[in-house]
Amino acid sequence: GEDVEQSLFLSVREGDSSVINCTYTDSSSTYLYWYKQEPGAGLQLLTYIFSNMDMKQDQRLTVLLNKKDKHLSLRIADTQTGDSAIYFCAESHISNFGNEKLTFGTGTRLTIIP
Amino acid sequence: AAGVIQSPRHLIKEKRETATLKCYPIPRHDTVYWYQQGPGQDPQFLISFYEKMQSDKGSIPDRFSAQQFSDYHSELNMSSLELGDSALYFCASSLGTSRERSYNEQFFGPGTRLTVL
Repeated sequence: GEDVEQSLFLSVREGDSSVINCTYTDSSSTYLYWYKQEPGAGLQLLTYIFSNMDMKQDQRLTVLLNKKDKHLSLRIADTQTGDSAIYFCAESHISNFGNEKLTFGTGTRLTIIP
Repeated sequence: AAGVIQSPRHLIKEKRETATLKCYPIPRHDTVYWYQQGPGQDPQFLISFYEKMQSDKGSIPDRFSAQQFSDYHSELNMSSLELGDSALYFCASSLGTSRERSYNEQFFGPGTRLTVL
C-alpha cells in the first residue's frame, strides 16, 4: 500500500538470518502484523506486535518495533528454503464499529540461495 | 481445524459480465473482510461486515456490492466487469470486534482468482 513501504526483494543464503524492514505511517495503529504469502496461496499470519512493545520473539522470528521512527522489522533466524515467500507487513486501523481494517505493505519477496 | 472457505477458487469472466464470490467464515466468526490483490500488488481492503451490517468500507468500486447473511457467510457481487478487476480476492474472518477483545486475528481464506478476458 502507498502508506506502508517495504523493500521489494531480499536474497539470503540458507542458514543465514533474514531481516525484512517495513516503514508505516499510522502512529495510532494498535497492532502491527507480519504475513507470509507463498506462491498461489493465501495470507498466513506469522506474528504480530502490540504497539507498546519494542520487541517480540517467537521461535525463529523476532519482531522489532521503533515507534518513534515508525519502523518495523522481521528477523528470521536460520533461514530455510521453506521460508521462500512474499512477506507483507500490515498496520491496522480501527473503524467506528471496532473492526480492524488492515493496510498492507508492498511486500518483500524473500529468495533463499542454497 | 476449519478454515475460511472461498468459492469458487478460480473464475473466468468476460468484460461487462457479472461475478459472485462467496465466503464462508470460520464457525462462530461474525466478522468478514474482503480484500483485493492485483497482480504483483499488496492486498487492498474493500469492505467488512460485522453481525450482518457493513462496518467499514475501503476502495471498493461502485460496481461492486457485498452483504453478509444470517449464517454469517458473505457474497461479493461484481458487475460490469473490467479487465482491471482481474485479481485475487481474499476473504478473512474474525471473532468479535476490537472493542470486545484486545486482539482479534483475521484468518484469511485461500482466495478466489478472478480473470476477466
